[in-house]
Amino acid sequence: GENVEQHPSTLSVQEGDSAVIKCTYSDSASNYFPWYKQELGKRPQLIIDIRSNVGEKKDQRIAVTLNKTAKHFSLHITETQPEDSAVYFCAATYRSQGNLIFGKGTKLSVKP
Amino acid sequence: DGGITQSPKYLFRKEGQNVTLSCEQNLNHDAMYWYRQDPGQGLRLIYYSQIVNDFQKGDIAEGYSVSREKKESFPLTVTSAQKNPTAFYLCASTGVAETQYFGPGTRLLVL
Repeated sequence: GENVEQHPSTLSVQEGDSAVIKCTYSDSASNYFPWYKQELGKRPQLIIDIRSNVGEKKDQRIAVTLNKTAKHFSLHITETQPEDSAVYFCAATYRSQGNLIFGKGTKLSVKP
Repeated sequence: DGGITQSPKYLFRKEGQNVTLSCEQNLNHDAMYWYRQDPGQGLRLIYYSQIVNDFQKGDIAEGYSVSREKKESFPLTVTSAQKNPTAFYLCASTGVAETQYFGPGTRLLVL
């Protein structure tokens, strides 16, 4: 069935370094790809999203890239800060279901 | 996010008891969703509704039931058939832009 693979499952970086999280999807009809940040005990919060007609989108220290041919998209966080520590989820829409399929999450730890 | 509310924040269930989790949204969104999240795990879809008076099973619907009588409300009932209900339950809604927003969640614990 349709799914979204997310890697790595855990990522530890030093403050100021960059972090990259990658996701692959299986449905070529997917056209919307959001990223969520979830802090411990809280709800997932949308941090950035991208649609299939765009290859890259940037918002301050956060950027997302999309390669539709290869069916993968990535989250890039530059100049990481301790408050970036959280679990990050990628997702993709599936037309056959009309909803989002989520990756299993990446626990990012930023060490001061 | 502030337009989606869930109650209660914590809920305790006794064995054999049915409990209902509330989800309300004032965003005028057509679609609403229920997810289950276990500790250290991702989000698993329980039920979703694209329109009033219609809903579809997700990946883990067994032991759960829903209703969608009003656009603003999508309550989830955890029945006694759900043998391992302890989890964090998240409600979400989506408008025409496909952006999905989550409520604050309900943490269900078994006594």
